Amino acid sequence: ILNVEQSPQSLHVQEGDSTNFTCSFPSSNFYALHWYRWETAKSPEALFVMTLNGDEKKKGRISATLNTKEGYSYLYIKGSQPEDSATYLCAFLPLGTGAGSYQLTFGKGTKLSVIP
Amino acid sequence: KAGVTQTPRYLIKTRGQQVTLSCSPISGHRSVSWYQQTPGQGLQFLFEYFSETQRNKGNFPGRFSGRQFSNSRSEMNVSTLELGDSALYLCASSLDPGGQPQHFGDGTRLSIL
Repeated sequence: ILNVEQSPQSLHVQEGDSTNFTCSFPSSNFYALHWYRWETAKSPEALFVMTLNGDEKKKGRISATLNTKEGYSYLYIKGSQPEDSATYLCAFLPLGTGAGSYQLTFGKGTKLSVIP
Repeated sequence: KAGVTQTPRYLIKTRGQQVTLSCSPISGHRSVSWYQQTPGQGLQFLFEYFSETQRNKGNFPGRFSGRQFSNSRSEMNVSTLELGDSALYLCASSLDPGGQPQHFGDGTRLSIL
């Protein structure tokens, strides 16, 4: 069973603060790391798919970095806004299941609350 | 482009019954995955289908089964329902099972009485 850990479990920040959280995954047999945002009463929405060590992705005020050798990814939110309040999920896809099949292992998420 | 459609949105069943959930993927997506979410747990992988073939199955009992049709629509079936099967069931479709994101439906909320 693959272990994907996210920290912290929950986070409260003031509007305008920048924040970051961590996703840890196995450092061997890496194929891809996904990030999703899940707002209450909506479906999870893809943020990034990262496949290369050293990858950095950016979408507006949200960015992510990837270190496959040590098995972690950071998600950063710059100048948090109330609409950023959501649960952020990461998911790990190991090599060997990418081409022929597809089984994402999700972390339990980091719940972000941005206080106006 | 229409998103992933799951039906029904809500379902109430009693123990011992069976249930079928449906998922229509985004047009052109051939990969469909199913997940279960229960309180305190992350998304748990159930199975993945590609071109009508189940390519992977998660650690769930045989009561959980699924299939995919030639138009990529997928169904999952749970037989002999148990109280612990109460959960949100999410379906997701994808173009490329490896390097492309999954697109999720709104889910089916299943409650077992």
